[in-house]
Amino acid sequence: EDKVVQSPLSLVVHEGDTVTLNCSYEVTNFRSLLWYKQEKKAPTFLFMLTSSGIEKKSGRLSSILDKKELFSILNITATQTGDSAIYLCAASSLPLYTGTASKLTFGTGTRLQVTL
Amino acid sequence: DAMVIQNPRYQVTQFGKPVTLSCSQTLNHNVMYWYQQKSSQAPKLLFHYYDKDFNNEADTPDNFQSRRPNTSFCFLDIRSPGLGDAAMYLCATSRDWPTGLTGANVLTFGAGSRLTVL
Repeated sequence: EDKVVQSPLSLVVHEGDTVTLNCSYEVTNFRSLLWYKQEKKAPTFLFMLTSSGIEKKSGRLSSILDKKELFSILNITATQTGDSAIYLCAASSLPLYTGTASKLTFGTGTRLQVTL
Repeated sequence: DAMVIQNPRYQVTQFGKPVTLSCSQTLNHNVMYWYQQKSSQAPKLLFHYYDKDFNNEADTPDNFQSRRPNTSFCFLDIRSPGLGDAAMYLCATSRDWPTGLTGANVLTFGAGSRLTVL
């Protein structure tokens, strides 16, 4: 069974701190690893990673994938209160048959709270 | 802006009373998904449509059905909701090409429909 495990489950930090969120996965026919941010609304896309060792950056957020060890990390530097959210990691698997799509298996998320 | 719209945002129903949740998209994506997300749990895939092809997950209860009358719309029907079906239901879309990676798998989510069962 496909599985994605995130750690820590929750985290409280002070504004300005740097945080690292972890994601490990076991997925058959792995295709890519995605990170989403979920506030009290739809999850919004952050990164998609397909190759090992290549860091993706967007402002204060960055992420990297290790396909040998089957994990990814999401770093947030100089955290702000607006970063408070649940961060979801998802592993995509290749379609099984014609007429089916790639599917995402999600982790339970890391709840990040940034305090003043 | 192109987007995924879910209605209603909040739905309260009685035990056993059928419910229909809707999802529409202006992205012209060929794949539409329904996920169930319970409190503090990972979103769980119920089923997806690849164009008109319906793909049910093996562990999705028969109580959950779906319809996709055209590219833009998809419905989730819960025939006899139980207390355990109370959850957030997320619709998502993607453009998926089995042989290519560019842009694939990036799901765009709607805001969700939160279902309460009394």
